[in-house]
Amino acid sequence: DTAVSQTPKYLVTQMGNDKSIKCEQNLGHDTMYWYKQDSKKFLKIMFSYNNKELIINETVPNRFSPKSPDKAHLNLHINSLELGDSAVYFCASSNRWETQYFGPGTRLLVL
Amino acid sequence: SQKIEQNSEALNIQEGKTATLTCNYTNYSPAYLQWYRQDPGRGPVFLLLIRENEKEKRKERLKVTFDTTLKQSLFHITASQPADSATYLCALDPSGTYKYIFGTGTRLKVLA
Repeated sequence: DTAVSQTPKYLVTQMGNDKSIKCEQNLGHDTMYWYKQDSKKFLKIMFSYNNKELIINETVPNRFSPKSPDKAHLNLHINSLELGDSAVYFCASSNRWETQYFGPGTRLLVL
Repeated sequence: SQKIEQNSEALNIQEGKTATLTCNYTNYSPAYLQWYRQDPGRGPVFLLLIRENEKEKRKERLKVTFDTTLKQSLFHITASQPADSATYLCALDPSGTYKYIFGTGTRLKVLA
């Protein structure tokens, strides 16, 4: 059973397009996250939701909009994609103050 | 600025030796610190968590220490194997608000 899954795994698109990444967890966790890992492999938190409520919103351009329809799902929509958005985006989940379980990542390439 | 630094970007050691990775942080007083392993093309996988009142934590060949005075955690892999080759990340939640900060990572390569 996959604990944290993301779709798609790869995403290649043109500048200016709008795209979405989906994440689902079957661990029953209350908290979900989006991270961005850049070309230097630095992992940085973008957003966090707890029980469908946004609790962390880092200094991310407002072109990025997360949405949590329920506790098990957290999606990321990106408007007007830019070259600098190219990265690997990881979804993760956890219970309070416990370890995070990461998804396999979505490799986004903006051309 | 607030950040976490890991000793070196890359570390090569011979099989059978003990690998020691360092995680240093500034301006934080975390209640706990975590270590993750990341293989190429995959998401990080949790290894160990150590709390501020714990000096040492062990799991099989892994050992983590946590010195809140030095603001440092050490991660040891004893009897290292080529399969241990990966990038290792430390992470902490400075204020207990789920806002995790990850270290820069150390890419470990165990040579056969």
